[in-house]
Amino acid sequence: GAVVSQHPSWVICKSGTSVKIECRSLDFQATTMFWYRQFPKQSLMLMATSNEGSKATYEQGVEKDKFLINHASLTLSTLTVTSAHPEDSSFYICSASDRGTQYFGPGTRLTVL
Amino acid sequence: QQQVKQSPQSLIVQKGGISIINCAYENTAFDYFPWYQQFPGKGPALLIAIRPDVSEKKEGRFTISFNKSAKQFSLHIMDSQPGDSATYFCAASKGSGGSNYKLTFGKGTLLTVNP
Repeated sequence: GAVVSQHPSWVICKSGTSVKIECRSLDFQATTMFWYRQFPKQSLMLMATSNEGSKATYEQGVEKDKFLINHASLTLSTLTVTSAHPEDSSFYICSASDRGTQYFGPGTRLTVL
Repeated sequence: QQQVKQSPQSLIVQKGGISIINCAYENTAFDYFPWYQQFPGKGPALLIAIRPDVSEKKEGRFTISFNKSAKQFSLHIMDSQPGDSATYFCAASKGSGGSNYKLTFGKGTLLTVNP
C-alpha cells in the first residue's frame, strides 16, 4: 500500500516552455501533498505544500508564479514549471501524506536546454 | 539554520558489519522521526519511523534508537549488505495527528557496503 506515482519520469524541454508534472496517490487519498526539489548529492528541499481544494503554501524563496501547483482531487496534484530555464533543471519529487506519514513518488528528472 | 544535523556524510562498511548513522535535532516540538532510503535516480522510500514515546524500534535489520533528553536519534543497520548501499536521510516533523506537517531533513549519508 501507500504507493505514489509521478509522470513523466523524465522530461527534456526547450528554454521558455512550460512543463507539467503529475503526482498521484494510487491506493490512498491524500489531503496534503508536498513538492520537493533535489540537486545532485544534496538533500530534499521543500518547495511547497499542497492541500486539496485550496491554494498551495510556498516555502520562502520559491516563486509561486514560476512553480504553479494545483491539487484538484484527493489523489492528484500537479506542478507546472512555467517558462522553464536551464537553472530549473533538477530532480522534482512529490510526496503524499497518509495519516501523517509521507510517501514519496519516484521523481521526475527535468532537463531544460 | 539547520534543524536536523546528520552524520557522517559518508560511511563505508564491510558486508556483515553494522552501519550507524546519527541525527540530532534542535526543535523540541518535533514528535515524529522517520528514516528514508534513496537509491540514485529514485524517490526516497520510508524505511522506519519512531515517535518519542519509545526509545527503540526494530524492523528486521533496521533499528532506530531515540534519546529524547539528548535530542538525538540514530539508525542501525545490522548485517549490512551491498544492496543496502544508498543514501539515507533522517527527518523530523511536528504536529502528530495531522496530515499537514512538513518534514525537516538531514543532509543525508551515503552508505557504501563493500562485498
